[in-house]
Amino acid sequence: AQSVTQLDSQVPVFEEAPVELRCNYSSSVSVYLFWYVQYPNQGLQLLLKYLSGSTLVESINGFEAEFNKSQTSFHLRKPSVHISDTAEYFCAVSDWGSQGNLIFGKGTKLSVKP
Amino acid sequence: DSGVTQTPKHLITATGQRVTLRCSPRSGDLSVYWYQQSLDQGLQFLIQYYNGEERAKGNILERFSAQQFPDLHSELNLSSLELGDSALYFCASSVEQGAFYGYTFGSGTRLTVV
Repeated sequence: AQSVTQLDSQVPVFEEAPVELRCNYSSSVSVYLFWYVQYPNQGLQLLLKYLSGSTLVESINGFEAEFNKSQTSFHLRKPSVHISDTAEYFCAVSDWGSQGNLIFGKGTKLSVKP
Repeated sequence: DSGVTQTPKHLITATGQRVTLRCSPRSGDLSVYWYQQSLDQGLQFLIQYYNGEERAKGNILERFSAQQFPDLHSELNLSSLELGDSALYFCASSVEQGAFYGYTFGSGTRLTVV
């Protein structure tokens, strides 16, 4: 069965510092990979996704993630964070070509301090 | 507003009771997914419907059931409620089956069982 491991439950960081949120998955087949963000008292919003092609994917607000098949990882990075990036970030995986379903990691709470 | 509407936003009920959570998917979306988010378990996939038919089941208890109606809205029924059922329940929708098409999440229903 698929599973997703987010290695850090909480990541505190100062504003304008770089950050990396780690995600590893286990699957015996090809996968789609996703990062979702959840702001306080809101639902999940898609941040970025890897479906195929270039292993480096970017979001409109400066985040990027790189799919590494050999390491089964999909780490999320941002070179300089803002206070407004404070949120919980979820990594998720779905089997390639399957009809379901997103399997989520337990989330990483990013706390950006001034 | 994501386009996925969940009602009610908050629900407080007693143990042993039964509640119904409602989800209206984004216009044009045929698939509905239900997830439970709790502090200890994280985001757990419960069940998926596509155009009125159940298509996949995850970690859904026998006390829980769901359906998708001809107008594509979905209801999640939780019965014989226990304290441990207290959680955020999210609904998501997609135009077709599968994560490839992208999930849009509602803002959730927070259930508190007392």
